[in-house]
Amino acid sequence: GAGVSQSPSNKVTEKGKDVELRCDPISGHTALYWYRQSLGQGLEFLIYFQGNSAPDKSGLPSDRFSAERTGGSVSTLTIQRTQQEDSAVYLCASSRRPSSEVGELFFGEGSRLTVL
Amino acid sequence: TQLLEQSPQFLSIQEGENLTVYCNSSSVFSSLQWYRQEPGEGPVLLVTVVTGGEVKKLKRLTFQFGDARKDSSLHITAAQPGDTGLYLCAGNPRAGSYQLTFGKGTKLSVIP
Repeated sequence: GAGVSQSPSNKVTEKGKDVELRCDPISGHTALYWYRQSLGQGLEFLIYFQGNSAPDKSGLPSDRFSAERTGGSVSTLTIQRTQQEDSAVYLCASSRRPSSEVGELFFGEGSRLTVL
Repeated sequence: TQLLEQSPQFLSIQEGENLTVYCNSSSVFSSLQWYRQEPGEGPVLLVTVVTGGEVKKLKRLTFQFGDARKDSSLHITAAQPGDTGLYLCAGNPRAGSYQLTFGKGTKLSVIP
């Protein structure tokens, strides 16, 4: 597709269940980001992938969160044993190169996660 | 941690009015971006400013980067309902860095 694609667009789950969120970046974009957007909060950085380099996981809030990127393209964000505070919109973005003075992030529409 | 404070948090104005929103920090940024996010969608880049004192215009939107590269403003002239959305500023702490720091945004509503 022409843009960043995320699925599912909405996910309602019960506390304690595991969820997987998928991101398909723009073809040819080597950089991929996951952000979390909670109500009334800005975008919180979670994880960054760049090519074949080791990902920057410094933003992951706990060890219940993990992400992988297969073949330098599709990425999956996994949240284990979900908690109510995990409820948020999870945004994926890709970029042609690492963000610099002129770098632009292209965002997907997000996956809205609700943990009951 | 470099923080970006955006103000006001909420703004509701009538169509045709002018407005300015602000993005402030105590830290210096190499560059700063403004994004607009509409409900149910991801943010979309409006502009990137890289030079202290820089002014960029995008139709009715005027963006300014402070001389000290610690703050920025977005001015909208003759606001239209289509300008409604969440305006986010995002700062790049240093050249080549891949981590953007985002503000919490200004939620703008333009009433017809």
